[in-house]
Amino acid sequence: DAGVIQSPRHEVTEMGQEVTLRCKPISGHNSLFWYRQTMMRGLELLIYFNNNVPIDDSGMPEDRFSAKMPNASFSTLKIQPSEPRDSAVYFCASSKDRGTEAFFGQGTRLTVV
Amino acid sequence: DQQVKQNSPSLSVQEGRISILNCDYTNSMFDYFLWYKKYPAEGPTFLISISSIKDKNEDGRFTVFLNKSAKHLSLHIVPSQPGDSAVYFCAASIGVSDNDMRFGAGTRLTVKP
Repeated sequence: DAGVIQSPRHEVTEMGQEVTLRCKPISGHNSLFWYRQTMMRGLELLIYFNNNVPIDDSGMPEDRFSAKMPNASFSTLKIQPSEPRDSAVYFCASSKDRGTEAFFGQGTRLTVV
Repeated sequence: DQQVKQNSPSLSVQEGRISILNCDYTNSMFDYFLWYKKYPAEGPTFLISISSIKDKNEDGRFTVFLNKSAKHLSLHIVPSQPGDSAVYFCAASIGVSDNDMRFGAGTRLTVKP
């Protein structure tokens, strides 16, 4: 298995633009997580899905952030409109249902200028 | 609200010596704890875990200790090697059916040759 695949690896966009981050979880994993890494807070959980259903989105910072999981093999995290303070590395991770070891993708480094 | 805290942003040790990374948590409901290791430009990778029914788990050079009364866990690396230089994240979750994992801010370990 190729592991969790995220795209793009790097994204530079102008303030106000829409940004879409993509994630393909490991096949057979039923839970998917979106994390944001910041210097101060480390890895912050934004949202997690179980069997394609959002379970906890309390970590989503604002209404500008939205996430979808239309099927078991794909998820998106969208920021609209983007702001400079959204600049961070965004990680997607997946795990087997009822397991707690999550496997991470390589992350998307987002820069909003 | 940081439920998992790593108060040391960095740690430097000499090769061959012991590295001790510390982690504190505030939520007494957490009962499963993990350590992740992260190299630059890569996603975090799982290192070792411990359930709250144990107070120690050992895997080769890595040992995790859990003190439930103090809500404290630590990761010991003995002997430390230059390849261990990375950022280490402590994580905690509630039960094996709850995949809502919370991370600390990370500790950057540097092992000097």
